[in-house]
Amino acid sequence: QQQVKQSPQSLIVQKGGISIINCAYENTAFDYFPWYQQFPGKGPALLIAIRPDVSEKKEGRFTISFNKSAKQFSLHIMDSQPGDSATYFCAASMLSSNYQLIWGAGTKLIIKP
Amino acid sequence: GAGVSQSPSNKVTEKGKDVELRCDPISGHTALYWYRQSLGQGLEFLIYFQGNSAPDKSGLPSDRFSAERTGGSVSTLTIQRTQQEDSAVYLCASSFRQGSYEQYFGPGTRLTVT
Repeated sequence: QQQVKQSPQSLIVQKGGISIINCAYENTAFDYFPWYQQFPGKGPALLIAIRPDVSEKKEGRFTISFNKSAKQFSLHIMDSQPGDSATYFCAASMLSSNYQLIWGAGTKLIIKP
Repeated sequence: GAGVSQSPSNKVTEKGKDVELRCDPISGHTALYWYRQSLGQGLEFLIYFQGNSAPDKSGLPSDRFSAERTGGSVSTLTIQRTQQEDSAVYLCASSFRQGSYEQYFGPGTRLTVT
């Protein structure tokens, strides 16, 4: 019940296209859902996050869509650029667990120029 | 300002030796987390510190792992009698206050046990 399932494992998108990564969770107690971006040799960097009381959050080219009833959330990267090539992790956490992050397995995104 | 820093960036040790990994959180951040990132297990929570409260050690994989946080700032993760399965990147994150959900990560320490 603590798992977060992420797909796809890898994704290749043409420059300018839309990259979509999906995550699903089981525990309805989760109340915070961040996405992290990680480049090789670096720590994860917070990209965007959402609480379950909203269905969508947009920051620049990055959008989170959240479906509470389906227990799913997704990251959309619009106008994908080669610099977006990285590994993306979704995560979930909750106050009762001190917001320790439960991580998806990661998606390796490659943007082809 | 300065981000989370970790040292060493790389550590190679022989099986059975003890290692210490250090984390300097962002100044003023009261919460500190340790995570492990490995090929087989992905990213997993290890331990959480909040101010002077007792740490949440629920993620530590065995009693060979321990951590402390001195003065509410710097933290040290110690692995005793290292095993090959301990090889991973150990990540530290800090956040501003209890219940604050934005965690900021350091670059990690890559531990290789030979």
